[in-house]
Amino acid sequence: GEDVEQSLFLSVREGDSSVINCTYTDSSSTYLYWYKQEPGAGLQLLTYIFSNMDMKQDQRLTVLLNKKDKHLSLRIADTQTGDSAIYFCAEIDGRDDKIIFGKGTRLHILP
Amino acid sequence: DVKVTQSSRYLVKRTGEKVFLECVQDMDHENMFWYRQDPGLGLRLIYFSYDVKMKEKGDIPEGYSVSREKKERFSLILESASTNQTSMYLCASSPNRLEYNEQFFGPGTRLTVL
Repeated sequence: GEDVEQSLFLSVREGDSSVINCTYTDSSSTYLYWYKQEPGAGLQLLTYIFSNMDMKQDQRLTVLLNKKDKHLSLRIADTQTGDSAIYFCAEIDGRDDKIIFGKGTRLHILP
Repeated sequence: DVKVTQSSRYLVKRTGEKVFLECVQDMDHENMFWYRQDPGLGLRLIYFSYDVKMKEKGDIPEGYSVSREKKERFSLILESASTNQTSMYLCASSPNRLEYNEQFFGPGTRLTVL
């Protein structure tokens, strides 16, 4: 079946850039997503990118998509303590429109 | 703002009990989902529904059932709770009209089965 892979943990110093990487398998995905889960809360859509784009920027967030390698990344510039959360990469399953989530990357901010 | 609410934040039940987890959304969304979230396993889809009285199995439906009698409410039922169903349960909803298929999540119910 379709799969989304991402590392489980990332540690970054406050003020540095964070880069969270993800690979996916479904080449027919029309949208790819980054969801954020803060402690004790549900997931919230952070940003998404359409498959015919290779970059999307929104304030401190930059999403890069490499369709050839099926690689998606999320860059957070000037990482702050409020960015501490679990970040889920997700794709749309091209067969049935279900969203497939990765296991989540826990971003830990060092002082 | 879309609001997805879940009936309990924390729940403790005993093995063998019947457990109901309720989810309500207030934005007239057609689609509703139940996931469980476990450390190192991420989110796994249990059941989903695209319409009232309609349900589809997700990736891990065993030991669960669902009910959608009204558009705004989607219930997850554990007929006979077992310890391996101890988990965080997340409900989500999404509208058909959004091309990019955003799902809106509730805050989750942390269920412990003793």
